[in-house]
Amino acid sequence: DQQVKQNSPSLSVQEGRISILNCDYTNSMFDYFLWYKKYPAEGPTFLISISSIKDKNEDGRFTVFLNKSAKHLSLHIVPSQPGDSAVYFCAASSAGGTSYGKLTFGQGTILTVHP
Amino acid sequence: GAGVSQSPSNKVTEKGKDVELRCDPISGHTALYWYRQSLGQGLEFLIYFQGNSAPDKSGLPSDRFSAERTGGSVSTLTIQRTQQEDSAVYLCASVNWGMGDYGYTFGSGTRLTVV
Repeated sequence: DQQVKQNSPSLSVQEGRISILNCDYTNSMFDYFLWYKKYPAEGPTFLISISSIKDKNEDGRFTVFLNKSAKHLSLHIVPSQPGDSAVYFCAASSAGGTSYGKLTFGQGTILTVHP
Repeated sequence: GAGVSQSPSNKVTEKGKDVELRCDPISGHTALYWYRQSLGQGLEFLIYFQGNSAPDKSGLPSDRFSAERTGGSVSTLTIQRTQQEDSAVYLCASVNWGMGDYGYTFGSGTRLTVV
């Protein structure tokens, strides 16, 4: 079963506009969420994260919002730049137990930012 | 080394052959993970190493898959009697827990194609 879902396979935005990438999860034990960015032929790189005790985390142009009741998180990129064009993965984890820091990933969303 | 190194970067093999994929993690990173990404899918957890032991092998798809880690460093993922459904990008990540944010650093992956 897909515990982390990114229902939009792709997103296209104009340079300077806002990009909003969405992610839903089903496992209520998840308490830490991350976004990774991946360019072709490269491994994913960490972008931003949020703990379940927060509902917002901001880092420069990137903001992640968490709605625990809806089991939904989103990544906002403002303003979007052509260099942001990549695949974005949402990931989730639960602390402690036997999770061993294991991340559960969504399917990814391909973001294309047009000049 | 400065990053996580994976080899080979690309591997084409005939169905039924065995393959070995190598991961050279960042020096000093004690935790190492293997994930794979099949076409159109998210990253799927395979196995986790802490030092040379593997407390979590729950993601290995079948007994054709095995992995080992020696000297707390290099890890090898072996797939025996490869099948076409094994075609995927195999990603390795090493982790320095002291960095927070799970500190995952991914390699560029090995693209395995079984023909």
